[in-house]
Amino acid sequence: DAMVIQNPRYQVTQFGKPVTLSCSQTLNHNVMYWYQQKSSQAPKLLFHYYDKDFNNEADTPDNFQSRRPNTSFCFLDIRSPGLGDAAMYLCATSREGESTDTQYFGPGTRLTVL
Amino acid sequence: DAKTTQPPSMDCAEGRAANLPCNHSTISGNEYVYWYRQIHSQGPQYIIHGLKNNETNEMASLIITEDRKSSTLILPHATLRDTAVYYCIVRVFYPPGTYKYIFGTGTRLKVLA
Repeated sequence: DAMVIQNPRYQVTQFGKPVTLSCSQTLNHNVMYWYQQKSSQAPKLLFHYYDKDFNNEADTPDNFQSRRPNTSFCFLDIRSPGLGDAAMYLCATSREGESTDTQYFGPGTRLTVL
Repeated sequence: DAKTTQPPSMDCAEGRAANLPCNHSTISGNEYVYWYRQIHSQGPQYIIHGLKNNETNEMASLIITEDRKSSTLILPHATLRDTAVYYCIVRVFYPPGTYKYIFGTGTRLKVLA
């Protein structure tokens, strides 16, 4: 089945140690999103790619970066994780250009910062 | 950006209809309303979306008021597996050619046996 895959599902890192989360999709969608979701809160958009064009949210910290080497893959890099970055990170895709498009979410990666 | 308001929690008896309200009073004319749900520790799951007409699919119905300032998601026969957080979302245009999905704070629905 076509889907959005996130690896790993659980990631533990140390304070200040760079970490990379990955997302891949078999839907051939042109838009990929990264969300941060803290406990008992709604997902918060960090940034998204429309094809190769990167769109950063104004309040996304510089500590968060992203790469999209091809249509299928997108990475979230956290350069120096702090305790406040512990959260679920959700990747989503959509095929924009049609009014009936929806977002498809992956299962998420839960990040723990020690 | 349009903003949505939802009650933080609701209970519903198993087998009864669950009606989840959402206010989106600042929505623009071409912005869609989406509903997703999230079961604990999983990614959000699409339920339904609409622009101005009422919509129905195998999961739920979406009723949008004529002025489009509010909507209601209806789960016609709630089961225990419908226990989840339900998000009302407005999709807004993001130049030059994509969209952002603005999440509400969500309603935690608990279906009671």
